[in-house]
Amino acid sequence: GNSVTQMEGPVTLSEEAFLTINCTYTATGYPSLFWYVQYPGEGLQLLLKATKADDKGSNKGFEATYRKETTSFHLEKGSVQVSDSAVYFCALIPLNRDDKIIFGKGTRLHILP
Amino acid sequence: DAEITQSPRHKITETGRQVTLACHQTWNHNNMFWYRQDLGHGLRLIHYSYGVHDTNKGEVSDGYSVSRSNTEDLPLTLESAASSQTSVYFCASSLRTRAPLHFGNGTRLTVT
Repeated sequence: GNSVTQMEGPVTLSEEAFLTINCTYTATGYPSLFWYVQYPGEGLQLLLKATKADDKGSNKGFEATYRKETTSFHLEKGSVQVSDSAVYFCALIPLNRDDKIIFGKGTRLHILP
Repeated sequence: DAEITQSPRHKITETGRQVTLACHQTWNHNNMFWYRQDLGHGLRLIHYSYGVHDTNKGEVSDGYSVSRSNTEDLPLTLESAASSQTSVYFCASSLRTRAPLHFGNGTRLTVT
């Protein structure tokens, strides 16, 4: 079946460090891929998305590239800030009749000043 | 600006009571969803609706019900609250199938 696996947290980094949060998926065909972010006390917000192979989604300095060959959609940022502390969710919407979104379990990120 | 509003933000209730959590969206979206979020489980889908008078069960629907009488609202009812239903509940909506979701800020429910 369809699934999303992302690295377990928490991930703790110092401000200005490079960030990678790994995400791999299992799905048939070409699902749409997403990263959502959840700040404390809030709901999830769409951070970026990609809908086909080799697409790069980007927003607020974050990037992720849709890699069909490795079934991955890793989230990266070159220089993190304290305000990036949040929980990050990788997600996919499969390309089939059962097309509800499937979320990974989330990765908590702590950025130290 | 369009938004999705959940109420109340916090609720404490006793085992066995009926509880209704409200969700109201002004996006004019056809699709609405209810999730619960628990440590170690991530987000789990409870119920969803693709339009007025349409409702469907998600992966953890036992003990919950929804009804969709208009486009804007999808209330979630716990028929007889149980301690296992202590959780944070999120409502979400989307314009169409395969479109990104818009989330409310959640309701933290405690069942004592």
